[in-house]
Amino acid sequence: GESVGLHLPTLSVQEGDNSIINCAYSNSASDYFIWYKQESGKGPQFIIDIRSNMDKRQGQRVTVLLNKTVKHLSLQIAATQPGDSAVYFCAENIGYGGSQGNLIFGKGTKLSVKP
Amino acid sequence: DVKVTQSSRYLVKRTGEKVFLECVQDMDHENMFWYRQDPGLGLRLIYFSYDVKMKEKGDIPEGYSVSREKKERFSLILESASTNQTSMYLCASSKADSYEQYFGPGTRLTVT
Repeated sequence: GESVGLHLPTLSVQEGDNSIINCAYSNSASDYFIWYKQESGKGPQFIIDIRSNMDKRQGQRVTVLLNKTVKHLSLQIAATQPGDSAVYFCAENIGYGGSQGNLIFGKGTKLSVKP
Repeated sequence: DVKVTQSSRYLVKRTGEKVFLECVQDMDHENMFWYRQDPGLGLRLIYFSYDVKMKEKGDIPEGYSVSREKKERFSLILESASTNQTSMYLCASSKADSYEQYFGPGTRLTVT
């Protein structure tokens, strides 16, 4: 089974509102987490990452929060814009043996922004 | 600007054909990956490679093989295409000491 999952498969928000996309992970040994954005017809693009020695990291309009106690990750997008409409994936590293660089991806949440 | 390119955006093949999907990266990355992406299943790892001539099976290698003769190029081969291999195929690369993967635009393969 997949160790990385999402609470909401779809999310619809009004333009200008804040969006929160959630992700649960099950591997307590994971020490790196990453969020990707995938627009229709394109490959996933890096948004932001966080290591397990942090609980919060901010980028431009995006914030990732990590709660290791409950194994939960969230992506917050401030002032959501129509260009934010996409599928968002979280991923965690495997980080052992020969798979040092590998990631496990969640199934994705589709974010729709209403004008 | 970092770049991963895939040889085709759309491909239609017949059952039983041998199919080659090519991926090239210009970032001198050591690691390269092939995924397939299906609705409701997310990204699933087919094969990966940490160096030239090296390959490792991912989660769903059955029906696929790969080739990495040069550092910048990683090829996915479907020896005898089947309809259940109709999917979006994504190639990615990363540096040896990084988890951040850079993705290509994907190839949407239809097997009829």
